[in-house]
Amino acid sequence: NAGVTQTPKFRILKIGQSMTLQCAQDMNHNYMYWYRQDPGMGLKLIYYSVGAGITDKGEVPNGYNVSRSTTEDFPLRLELAAPSQTSVYFCASSYRGTEYASTNEKLFFGSGTQLSVL
Amino acid sequence: RKEVEQDPGPFNVPEGATVAFNCTYSNSASQSFFWYRQDCRKEPKLLMSVYSSGNEDGRFTAQLNRASQYISLLIRDSKLSDSATYLCVCNDYKLSFGAGTTVTVRA
Repeated sequence: NAGVTQTPKFRILKIGQSMTLQCAQDMNHNYMYWYRQDPGMGLKLIYYSVGAGITDKGEVPNGYNVSRSTTEDFPLRLELAAPSQTSVYFCASSYRGTEYASTNEKLFFGSGTQLSVL
Repeated sequence: RKEVEQDPGPFNVPEGATVAFNCTYSNSASQSFFWYRQDCRKEPKLLMSVYSSGNEDGRFTAQLNRASQYISLLIRDSKLSDSATYLCVCNDYKLSFGAGTTVTVRA
């Protein structure tokens, strides 16, 4: 049981390049999330997914795209990298039941990707 | 106003001291609350959930005050290994993170 696996750990991009951050979980969680964390700041939600085939925007979706073709995988795509996207990216997953807000929902995070756009 | 606000600190305390800090939230509909711990450049890890009646987990005590819309975390008998950033998380159908409170425990 690996939990949440996130790759790569580090990446340097040039402005205008594209890349995909991979995220996979083996806990059969229905919810998956992508966050970014800038230095000294809290986590900001980029996109999330409540299940396979369903994705939705978070607080800061501009410049990113996601897909959720399977329960396990939730890749994050940067199409035209910009310096403002330099950040640490965390993927997370959780199980949320059918009730409005599960008090048992706990997030499990991947180990993060340090991305620099130069 | 931010959805979740925390005193960034840093709180510098000697080993064995007690340290406490709060987190305020703006959405009164928030259903559940958590404290996460984040070590430098690493992923956040769940420290504890926060229950309405307050709860303890070893040296850590969490409290919820719904009337004033804040949660608190108290660390007793601080250890060097408690040095970290503590993130407050509120769940109002979406999870909102505070920016974190940095605690440094010195020998």
